[in-house]
Amino acid sequence: DTAVSQTPKYLVTQMGNDKSIKCEQNLGHDTMYWYKQDSKKFLKIMFSYNNKELIINETVPNRFSPKSPDKAHLNLHINSLELGDSAVYFCASSRGLAGANTGELFFGEGSRLTVL
Amino acid sequence: GESVGLHLPTLSVQEGDNSIINCAYSNSASDYFIWYKQESGKGPQFIIDIRSNMDKRQGQRVTVLLNKTVKHLSLQIAATQPGDSAVYFCAVEDRTGNQFYFGTGTSLTVIP
Repeated sequence: DTAVSQTPKYLVTQMGNDKSIKCEQNLGHDTMYWYKQDSKKFLKIMFSYNNKELIINETVPNRFSPKSPDKAHLNLHINSLELGDSAVYFCASSRGLAGANTGELFFGEGSRLTVL
Repeated sequence: GESVGLHLPTLSVQEGDNSIINCAYSNSASDYFIWYKQESGKGPQFIIDIRSNMDKRQGQRVTVLLNKTVKHLSLQIAATQPGDSAVYFCAVEDRTGNQFYFGTGTSLTVIP
């Protein structure tokens, strides 16, 4: 069973479109994250949620809107896609908030978004 | 915030040799550190972690060393194998920011 699963794995779309990426974790974790990995492999946090509550929103354009219907799911919706949004987006989860002695992050396999 | 850097963006080693990947961090209050391995087309996977009350921790073929004085972290891989070829990241926990900061990654290539 996949611990952190995200769909779709690949997404190719035109500029200006709206798209969503879904993430689910079956680890019973309280905290979930979205990270963006650029072409140079740099991983940067975008959002984190703890028990459905937004904890971190790291200067991400408001075209990006996370939604957490329950603590096992964290979806990412992107409006008006731009070329610069092309990247690999990783969902991750942890037992609790980072910094609270709750252990490591578990990552999904990534969703590669290509904006044409 | 945290600044995390790696000394070498790429590293090539002969199969069977030992590999050392380095990481520098800036926040002296950081107390939890993780090494991740990311294979092509996959998400980062946990390799080994260490807390600030330790200087060294060993796993299977991997050792993490922590030098808090100079804020430096290293990952040693013994008897490197082709399957070790991947990008390796250090991650540093930021207690106040409730997040992990990731280094820029080192791409390890193992030459058969």
